[in-house]
Amino acid sequence: RKEVEQDPGPFNVPEGATVAFNCTYSNSASQSFFWYRQDCRKEPKLLMSVYSSGNEDGRFTAQLNRASQYISLLIRDSKLSDSATYLCVVNRGTGGFKTIFGAGTRLFVKA
Amino acid sequence: EAGVAQSPRYKIIEKRQSVAFWCNPISGHATLYWYQQILGQGPKLLIQFQNNGVVDDSQLPKDRFSAERLKGVDSTLKIQPAKLEDSAVYLCASSWYGQNTDTQYFGPGTRLTVL
Repeated sequence: RKEVEQDPGPFNVPEGATVAFNCTYSNSASQSFFWYRQDCRKEPKLLMSVYSSGNEDGRFTAQLNRASQYISLLIRDSKLSDSATYLCVVNRGTGGFKTIFGAGTRLFVKA
Repeated sequence: EAGVAQSPRYKIIEKRQSVAFWCNPISGHATLYWYQQILGQGPKLLIQFQNNGVVDDSQLPKDRFSAERLKGVDSTLKIQPAKLEDSAVYLCASSWYGQNTDTQYFGPGTRLTVL
């Protein structure tokens, strides 16, 4: 079993739809959590950090459930430009931490 | 502000040959990471430097891969000899402090094809 697992996708949604991605992590020593976005043949870029209290950035909402060890990302009112791969990222440890990426969930938003 | 620079952008070699990749992180960033991303997978951390010291290299195949970060700035990653399964994109990233809450900034990557 992989340490960070994501919905395999792909997700195909129409413009304006709401879509949710889930990610689970297996190591309880995981300390910090992120969603990165990766466009086709490009490098990953930070979308948002994920906090226990939940956080929102415009149309994007991220949630963390430490008890169940899962992270979610909700995208409201999808745009064509949201089409990308969404990577769940977990940092395990504190002083000397290790970064683990999920395999990513591909999103296609269609007109 | 200049981003993370990597070169070359593309490299095609035959198996058993050697190859080296170069990375220049964002100025002032203490932490540098090398990742391997195989098609269809997420990036896998190979090695992490804090200044010029190694923090983690547990997933670096040390029989063929080596990396250094002289003077705590630029870094090189070398593969010798290359295998077919090394075909991947090699991503370099950097962050300010090396704290687990840091944002990592990625370079454009080097796409390696081993024939």
